[in-house]
Amino acid sequence: GEDVEQSLFLSVREGDSSVINCTYTDSSSTYLYWYKQEPGAGLQLLTYIFSNMDMKQDQRLTVLLNKKDKHLSLRIADTQTGDSAIYFCAGEIISGGYNKLIFGAGTRLAVHP
Amino acid sequence: DTEVTQTPKHLVMGMTNKKSLKCEQHMGHRAMYWYKQKAKKPPELMFVYSYEKLSINESVPSRFSPECPNSSLLNLHLHALQPEDSALYLCASSQDRSTNEKLFFGSGTQLSVL
Repeated sequence: GEDVEQSLFLSVREGDSSVINCTYTDSSSTYLYWYKQEPGAGLQLLTYIFSNMDMKQDQRLTVLLNKKDKHLSLRIADTQTGDSAIYFCAGEIISGGYNKLIFGAGTRLAVHP
Repeated sequence: DTEVTQTPKHLVMGMTNKKSLKCEQHMGHRAMYWYKQKAKKPPELMFVYSYEKLSINESVPSRFSPECPNSSLLNLHLHALQPEDSALYLCASSQDRSTNEKLFFGSGTQLSVL
C-alpha cells in the first residue's frame, strides 16, 4: 500500500521561503495533495498536482513533483505568521475499487519574527 | 456556501453513554466521509458514503455507527466507547467518488471519552 512520509517540524523566519518535503511509495497516485490544518480546525485543501506535471504554481505556493524519486515538495514564498500550521501531503490510491487518500504524518511549520 | 458544518465542537462522554455527531453540507456534494484524527497524527479514514449509501467501512468497530439520512447530512452514532476512542472526528465531503477528490473538511468534533 501507499506510504507517505514527511519531516515533522520546520521553523522559518517571517519573510523567508519555507520548503516542506514529502516522499511517497505508490507511483500510481494520479493526484497528490497538500492540506493545511490550523490548531483546532479541520483540514483545508491548499493545492494539488496531477501526476504528469513537474511543477504547479499558485500565488505564493509552488509544488514540485519528482516522479522518478517519488518526491513532492511545497514551497511557500514570503512566509507569514498566518502560515504557521500543520501541513499534510496526501497521495491517492485505489483501494477496494475506490479512490482513497493516504496522508503523511504532517509537518508542523513554525514562523517566527 | 463552501462549508462543512459539524456539531458539537466538543463532546465529553462516559463509556456507557450514547451520543451522536452531526455533519451538514449544502454544496451538493454526493460523497461524505468520517475521519478520525488522534493528537499529532494524520487523519484516518473511517467511513465513506456515496450517494447516501455506505461504500467504505475501514474495519471500524461497531460501537461507531454511521448514518446518512439525506444527501446533505451525515451522522456518527456513538455507543459504549472506550477512552482510546478520544480523538478529533472530522467530517468531509467531495463532489463524488471519482478521482481527484478535493475534500472539504469540517472543523471537527473533539471527543473525550472518560
